[in-house]
Amino acid sequence: DAMVIQNPRYQVTQFGKPVTLSCSQTLNHNVMYWYQQKSSQAPKLLFHYYDKDFNNEADTPDNFQSRRPNTSFCFLDIRSPGLGDAAMYLCATREGGSDEQYFGPGTRLTVT
Amino acid sequence: AQSVTQLDSQVPVFEEAPVELRCNYSSSVSVYLFWYVQYPNQGLQLLLKYLSGSTLVESINGFEAEFNKSQTSFHLRKPSVHISDTAEYFCAVSEGNTGKLIFGQGTTLQVKP
Repeated sequence: DAMVIQNPRYQVTQFGKPVTLSCSQTLNHNVMYWYQQKSSQAPKLLFHYYDKDFNNEADTPDNFQSRRPNTSFCFLDIRSPGLGDAAMYLCATREGGSDEQYFGPGTRLTVT
Repeated sequence: AQSVTQLDSQVPVFEEAPVELRCNYSSSVSVYLFWYVQYPNQGLQLLLKYLSGSTLVESINGFEAEFNKSQTSFHLRKPSVHISDTAEYFCAVSEGNTGKLIFGQGTTLQVKP
């Protein structure tokens, strides 16, 4: 089945230690999104790619970076995680011109 | 700027009772509206959406939502809930060409036996 895959599902990192979260898709969609969802809160968009064009939300901290080496893969890099970065990180995809986003299962990040 | 307000943070209800989860939005342009469901430690699943046309939209598992432009609302309803409907429900509006979703704060539906 076509899907959005996120690895790992659970990630523990230490304060200040760089961490990378991975998202892959078999849907061949040209738009990919990264959302941050803190406990009991709504998902909040960090950035998205339209093809190779990167679009950062104005309030996304510089600590968060992203890479999209090809259509299928997108990475979220947190350069120096703080305790406040503990959250569920959701990846989503969309085919440009359509209206529906397809979400992965998320990666829950714990910062110790 | 667009925004979404979900009026109830938690909705407890007994099994087989009807339920309504309320959602209001603000936007100066035409909108696409969505309801997503999130089960514990999982991603979001699309429940239903309004793009245009009929203001009443339905999902395959018995939920429906009605787009009301004059009241800027998109409330979600189900006439008879099941235990398995217990989850977090998010209302969202899609922003323009980016397809960016702006979510409400979520409503926890707790179905009791």
